[in-house]
Amino acid sequence: DARVTQTPRHKVTEMGQEVTMRCQPILGHNTVFWYRQTMMQGLELLAYFRNRAPLDDSGMPKDRFSAEMPDATLATLKIQPSEPRDSAVYFCASGRDREETQYFGPGTRLLVL
Amino acid sequence: EDQVTQSPEALRLQEGESSSLNCSYTVSGLRGLFWYRQDPGKGPEFLFTLYSAGEEKEKERLKATLTKKESFLHITAPKPEDSATYLCAVFLNEKLTFGTGTRLTIIP
Repeated sequence: DARVTQTPRHKVTEMGQEVTMRCQPILGHNTVFWYRQTMMQGLELLAYFRNRAPLDDSGMPKDRFSAEMPDATLATLKIQPSEPRDSAVYFCASGRDREETQYFGPGTRLLVL
Repeated sequence: EDQVTQSPEALRLQEGESSSLNCSYTVSGLRGLFWYRQDPGKGPEFLFTLYSAGEEKEKERLKATLTKKESFLHITAPKPEDSATYLCAVFLNEKLTFGTGTRLTIIP
């Protein structure tokens, strides 16, 4: 049963600290997406990769957020420095292509104090 | 303006009481309408993709239908385990854009 995995599942940190979230996409999927979910904004796309190349990160605050895919089995989303307004659930999803079904991981619940 | 809207925001049904959830969209050139289910504390779980008006897909007590302006998720004789938030999504400006969801509660 292939699934997207994310670590950590929960993270509590203080304002100003660096946060790194990791995602392992489903083997064989060549697109990876990062989403943020809040009560106010719902699910928002932050960035996506195709064949490990970043294709769109327009939804991401550039000054503090960065996303990378060091290899095909690992995607990372980093926040430095973190702020209380970054508190949200961050989801990673993967798919076979951009316009095909995306499969979501369990999310990282981030709380910045 | 391209957008996707879901209604109602919340729906409470008695077990066995059938109903429908609505997803309205305005987009030129639909490239798929996606339905997901999300349980509290979990990621969205894929249910269906619909591509053209008139298309229907079924899974257990759920049936999704599509017209040129909207999609319905029909739930027949629901059970308490069908309680969840149901999200629809379409591609807007090259990005999969989600509606705000319908929170469905099935009362035993």
